[in-house]
Order: sequence, then structure tokens, then C-alpha cells
Amino acid sequence: NAGVTQTPKFQVLKTGQSMTLQCAQDMNHNSMYWYRQDPGMGLRLIYYSASEGTTDKGEVPNGYNVSRLNKREFSLRLESAAPSQTSVYFCASSLPETGSNQPQHFGDGTRLSIL
Amino acid sequence: DAKTTQPNSMESNEEEPVHLPCNHSTISGTDYIHWYRQLPSQGPEYVIHGLTSNVNNRMASLAIAEDRKSSTLILHRATLRDAAVYYCILRNFNKFYFGSGTKLNVKP
Repeated sequence: NAGVTQTPKFQVLKTGQSMTLQCAQDMNHNSMYWYRQDPGMGLRLIYYSASEGTTDKGEVPNGYNVSRLNKREFSLRLESAAPSQTSVYFCASSLPETGSNQPQHFGDGTRLSIL
Repeated sequence: DAKTTQPNSMESNEEEPVHLPCNHSTISGTDYIHWYRQLPSQGPEYVIHGLTSNVNNRMASLAIAEDRKSSTLILHRATLRDAAVYYCILRNFNKFYFGSGTKLNVKP
């Protein structure tokens, strides 16, 4: 009963390094999302994918790229990491959106520190 | 953009009801009100959502004001496992507006 699985759970990078965060869901959901959460704050949407083959920017997309590899997997890439990107990153998925009434299911997060 | 306002923290005794308030005075007609909670070192967990009418599920109840400018999440009997940060969120399709939430402390 895995739900949403994120890898890795922890990562430390140096400024300028690149990295890809992986997310996979086994609930046959169409929609997937990437959020970041800074200390003491709520989540902010980075990118989302309403369905396989589509991606759209969220509130804070700068410095990130995403790939919806297939229905199960949605990856987030940092091309040149900056200290301001130190955060906890959450992936989520949901059933197709017929409105705004579909709950999102979240992974346990990737804790990323950039030195 | 519509935003939500919640108290930073609240405290409750175990097995007593808890009412968590949320103000969203700039809510639009198509915004749904969602509540999620987050335990330490975990991702958010869906609790309940509604549009205009009050809602009940196995976890909680959601009371929505008639003018929709505020709502209240009701935990009928708080347990120690309910200690978490509770987020009141306005959702309009793929736009979520997370505030900083209310940290609920439950005392035994």
C-alpha cells in the first residue's frame, strides 16, 4: 500500500550542482504535483501535471524543471542548485480534476539542503 | 489571490471537541475549502473539504459560514494522534493557497 513514493528522502548538494527528485504513485492517478515547504511555512506549488504528457507552472517555478515520464512518475529537476532552494519537497497525486474537489495524496517528502 | 488566516496555535484536552477557525474573506465563488493536516516529518494528509454546505466524514466536520468568508474544522473528540499542523486551504482547480496553518497541541 505504497501510495506516493519519493526518492531520495534526504540530500545535500553544493551550490551549482544538479539533481533530480523522483516521485512515483501507484494509485492510477492522472494528476501529479510538486510543492516546496520552507521552515514554518505552508506548501507552495512549483509545477503540476494534469495528465500524462502535460505540465504547467505553479506559484514558484523558477529554477526548476519537471518531466512527466509516464502516468506513474513525475520528476523534479534542479539544474543549478542555489541555497534559496533549500527546502522540503513534496510530491502529490490526485484523481482527474472535474472541479476542485479531489483530495491530494502526498509523499513523505525529500529534505534538500544546498550549501 | 485569495488567502486564508488561521491562529498560529491552539491547545485542547484529550477527548474534548476542538474547533479550528479559518478566515477567508476574499474567497471566490469557485474556491473550494479544503483542510489538510501535517504530522511532524510527514506529508500533508487530507481531512475534509466543502464548497457551501457543512460536511461530515469519519475524521471531522466542516462548518462553512453562510457568506463563505469563514469556516471551522471540528474534531469531535481530540486524541493525542490529532496533534498536528492543520491547514485551511482555498482551492481553485490546480491552484492551492496554503497558509502557515494552526499547530494543535493535545494535552492528555
